[in-house]
Amino acid sequence: IAGITQAPTSQILAAGRRMTLRCTQDMRHNAMYWYRQDLGLGLRLIHYSNTAGTTGKGEVPDGYSVSRANTDDFPLTLASAVPSQTSVYFCASSSGLETDTQYFGPGTRLTVL
Amino acid sequence: GQNIDQPTEMTATEGAIVQINCTYQTSGFNGLFWYQQHAGEAPTFLSYNVLDGLEEKGRFSSFLSRSKGYSYLLLKELQMKDSASYLCAVRDSNYQLIWGAGTKLIIKP
Repeated sequence: IAGITQAPTSQILAAGRRMTLRCTQDMRHNAMYWYRQDLGLGLRLIHYSNTAGTTGKGEVPDGYSVSRANTDDFPLTLASAVPSQTSVYFCASSSGLETDTQYFGPGTRLTVL
Repeated sequence: GQNIDQPTEMTATEGAIVQINCTYQTSGFNGLFWYQQHAGEAPTFLSYNVLDGLEEKGRFSSFLSRSKGYSYLLLKELQMKDSASYLCAVRDSNYQLIWGAGTKLIIKP
């Protein structure tokens, strides 16, 4: 079934630990995105990639890094997790055209203690 | 700064009609999106407006007025499964989506 998968579904992490959230899409979309969603706030863009090999910073990039080695995968790494990074993380992808729509993965619920 | 405003919560009755408003102030405009998000799930695409006017898609319609920085989502013949949050998002001059906090819609029988 075509779509976006994320792993893990949920994770509890000790502060200071390193964590990589995985995202894979099989729709051959050029663009991919990482958002965080916190209660009472809109989705906020962390990092994005318009095409394989390129990445860019979004609204809230501090404490996060990404890579885009190929079209399908777009992992998000927290180098040293802090409690303020407790959130639900959504990966999304789009074809990259001007009128395109973003499609979302199921999300990862991350708790940093 | 950039801002998307929508009501935090609305309540409606099964079978009725509800209108969810969204006002925006963004640096540039390249389209407005509405997404539906059920609790604990991912947002799913509902509609896209880039020109002024009404776009109809089954029970859902979306309206845009670019001069007023205003959009609404109209849901007709409400069903219990429509209970969800509805997210308004505007694509700005950098082609990034700016998201509202969402409107939680509660449907009562």
